[in-house]
Amino acid sequence: SQTIHQWPATLVQPVGSPLSLECTVEGTSNPNLYWYRQAAGRGLQLLFYSIGIGQISSEVPQNLSASRPQDRQFILSSKKLLLSDSGFYLCAWSVLGPLHFGNGTRLTVT
Amino acid sequence: DQQVKQNSPSLSVQEGRISILNCDYTNSMFDYFLWYKKYPAEGPTFLISISSIKDKNEDGRFTVFLNKSAKHLSLHIVPSQPGDSAVYFCAAFAGLGSQGNLIFGKGTKLSVKP
Repeated sequence: SQTIHQWPATLVQPVGSPLSLECTVEGTSNPNLYWYRQAAGRGLQLLFYSIGIGQISSEVPQNLSASRPQDRQFILSSKKLLLSDSGFYLCAWSVLGPLHFGNGTRLTVT
Repeated sequence: DQQVKQNSPSLSVQEGRISILNCDYTNSMFDYFLWYKKYPAEGPTFLISISSIKDKNEDGRFTVFLNKSAKHLSLHIVPSQPGDSAVYFCAAFAGLGSQGNLIFGKGTKLSVKP
């Protein structure tokens, strides 16, 4: 069966520091991979999605970036975090069906 | 402009009764709709879906109804249980293979009281 791992579960970072969140999927090949963010009082906002290695589509302009170095690995990064980057970040995968989410990372930028 | 709207931020229901969660959408190109359930500090879990060629889909205690003319869908939970207490997100996209364009509502927090 397919599983998705996302880490860390919680993270507190100072403004201006870098960020790296990692997500891996097991049990499937060539998945579509996604990064979503849930900010306080808002729904789930799509940040990036990828249909293959090295193929990244950005949905929202911001100081975040994403990379897919391997088929089942998706990384969300930032060179300098802003206070507004605080939120709940979710990785997800799909193969022609519903999205399946990881357990998320709670990021607090102080 | 919100394409998927969940106008009720919260809903409280007694155990054993029916929970009805509502969702409205504005984009007539949407042809696939999903409901997700989310517990605190966890990722959303897929619950049930419906394509635009249907008006009802049922899975156990969960039924989703779609009214295309009104651009409205609803999730019915019968009977409601305390374990159903969670935030429920409505989501929609247009065209298979376009799951990257999945648009979520802001969610409705359901509380089922024993």
